[in-house]
Amino acid sequence: GNSVTQMEGPVTLSEEAFLTINCTYTATGYPSLFWYVQYPGEGLQLLLKATKADDKGSNKGFEATYRKETTSFHLEKGSVQVSDSAVYFCALRMKDAGNMLTFGGGTRLMVKP
Amino acid sequence: DAGVTQSPTHLIKTRGQQVTLRCSPKSGHDTVSWYQQALGQGPQFIFQYYEEEERQRGNFPDRFSGHQFPNYSSELNVNALLLGDSALYLCASSPMGGPTDTQYFGPGTRLTVL
Repeated sequence: GNSVTQMEGPVTLSEEAFLTINCTYTATGYPSLFWYVQYPGEGLQLLLKATKADDKGSNKGFEATYRKETTSFHLEKGSVQVSDSAVYFCALRMKDAGNMLTFGGGTRLMVKP
Repeated sequence: DAGVTQSPTHLIKTRGQQVTLRCSPKSGHDTVSWYQQALGQGPQFIFQYYEEEERQRGNFPDRFSGHQFPNYSSELNVNALLLGDSALYLCASSPMGGPTDTQYFGPGTRLTVL
């Protein structure tokens, strides 16, 4: 079946450090890929998405590129802020699977001032 | 414009009881999906409702059932609660027009089973 694997956390960084959170997927076909963020006590918010190979999703300084060759969608940010502290989820959606999202296990990011 | 709303916010039940959770989709959305998020894990898809019918279902037992009303709101029912059903239950809605990459999540209902 389809699955998503993320690096385990927590990831602890100092403010203004560079962030990478790894995400790889297994899918029978070409899914759409997403990063969602969950702040403490809140639901999920879509951070960015990419729908086909080589697409780059970006939002709020975060970026991720859909790499078909390596089946990856790593999340990056050049300079993190304390306010970026949250749990980040990588997810995929197969186009023949309705709106069903398959999520990774999440990576907690903690940014220290 | 209100986003996706869910009620109640928190709920405590005992094993064997039944529970009903509610979701109102974002304005203009007609499709509702439900997810279960156990502590420290990613959300898992339970099922999706569109035009008042269950369209897709994840790997969850029949104890989990749902309903969608003509106003597109939805309920999730869980019977014969188990300790393992303790989780955050998330509702997501998406706009009319079929499967889409655009989904909005509600804040969730935290269910604790004692």
